[in-house]
Amino acid sequence: GAVVSQHPSWVICKSGTSVKIECRSLDFQATTMFWYRQFPKQSLMLMATSNEGSKATYEQGVEKDKFLINHASLTLSTLTVTSAHPEDSSFYICSARGDFEQFFGPGTRLTVL
Amino acid sequence: AQSVTQPDIHITVSEGASLELRCNYSYGATPYLFWYVQSPGQGLQLLLKYFSGDTLVQGIKGFEAEFKRSQSSFNLRKPSVHWSDAAEYFCAVGGNSGNTPLVFGKGTRLSVIA
Repeated sequence: GAVVSQHPSWVICKSGTSVKIECRSLDFQATTMFWYRQFPKQSLMLMATSNEGSKATYEQGVEKDKFLINHASLTLSTLTVTSAHPEDSSFYICSARGDFEQFFGPGTRLTVL
Repeated sequence: AQSVTQPDIHITVSEGASLELRCNYSYGATPYLFWYVQSPGQGLQLLLKYFSGDTLVQGIKGFEAEFKRSQSSFNLRKPSVHWSDAAEYFCAVGGNSGNTPLVFGKGTRLSVIA
């Protein structure tokens, strides 16, 4: 149990385009989901906290107009990177909050050319 | 504010030797503590977790960790390292509040030599 999926697992896009990443909790409902970003050889940095049915809470320094988060149901949160640029290339990891712990998705590697 | 410190950026051990990865945390309440392992290009795999009770917790792959409240530490140990253990290890701390995300340390890269 407690499986979180992400789609796509990797994506390559041109600079200026938008990319949507989906995060799904497959066997449980998650009121809260979190989005992290991980640059090469670095740790996971929290980008935002996503609550079902309400606006996401962004960490300081994260542009909410650039990283659009929608948590429309208890099993799905999406992160849209708008007008992506090469500096947005990173590994994006979502997690869904269960009863006592977070369960992590496998990550999405975004490469912006 | 909560934080996690992993003092060792990179550790190299010989195969078969014992291992200890250090983790210190700062948290205002009773912490929930986790160790994750990440291989290159892969997602996170949970090794073990501490919520309450016995301060020595056993995890997968022969790992264990001990919670020491007085030292604000949660060090990860393994008695005999295998070459396949080479990876990045992250310690994380969180709380039992639904909106409290995990905070990660910067990670320790483990290299294993023959």
